[in-house]
Amino acid sequence: KAGVTQTPRYLIKTRGQQVTLSCSPISGHRSVSWYQQTPGQGLQFLFEYFSETQRNKGNFPGRFSGRQFSNSRSEMNVSTLELGDSALYLCASSQIQGAFGTDTQYFGPGTRLTVL
Amino acid sequence: DQQVKQNSPSLSVQEGRISILNCDYTNSMFDYFLWYKKYPAEGPTFLISISSIKDKNEDGRFTVFLNKSAKHLSLHIVPSQPGDSAVYFCAASASVSRKLQFGAGTQVVVTP
Repeated sequence: KAGVTQTPRYLIKTRGQQVTLSCSPISGHRSVSWYQQTPGQGLQFLFEYFSETQRNKGNFPGRFSGRQFSNSRSEMNVSTLELGDSALYLCASSQIQGAFGTDTQYFGPGTRLTVL
Repeated sequence: DQQVKQNSPSLSVQEGRISILNCDYTNSMFDYFLWYKKYPAEGPTFLISISSIKDKNEDGRFTVFLNKSAKHLSLHIVPSQPGDSAVYFCAASASVSRKLQFGAGTQVVVTP
């Protein structure tokens, strides 16, 4: 079974631009979560989607948004990019079948975003 | 507010010996704990997990111990191998929220 895939792997943008990152979960996985990794803040939770609905959200500004499609694929969007948005953005999927409960999250390789 | 803490930023161990990584948490709602291994510029790789109803889980060379009263878990790697050199993250979540809270990570170096 293929793992979590993320595209693109690398991205360079300038301040003020917007960016869209894509994530395809493991087949059969319905929950997709997004995380940001930076040297200063470590791994931080952005949001989680299940059945096309955002179920949880981390402490990030409204410039960070996401969505999930009916095939469980997910996208996250960052508008009005700032230098501090440079980070590794990670997507994770889990097999959890219900709205509640927890399960192992499997991560993709990440998208390295650099904001100049 | 750091709810998951890994107080040792680094650990050096000889090949063949045991590696012990520690993790403490503060949120009593956490009921699922995981360890991930990570190389630079890659996503975390799942190693092993444990539910709060257990106190030990083993998978090959990896064993995780959970002490709920102390809010402490540890990962034992026996025997350590050079390929184990990586950053190890402890993570925790609660059933009511699938948000994973990560520790800061421990850099493990296994020397020949």
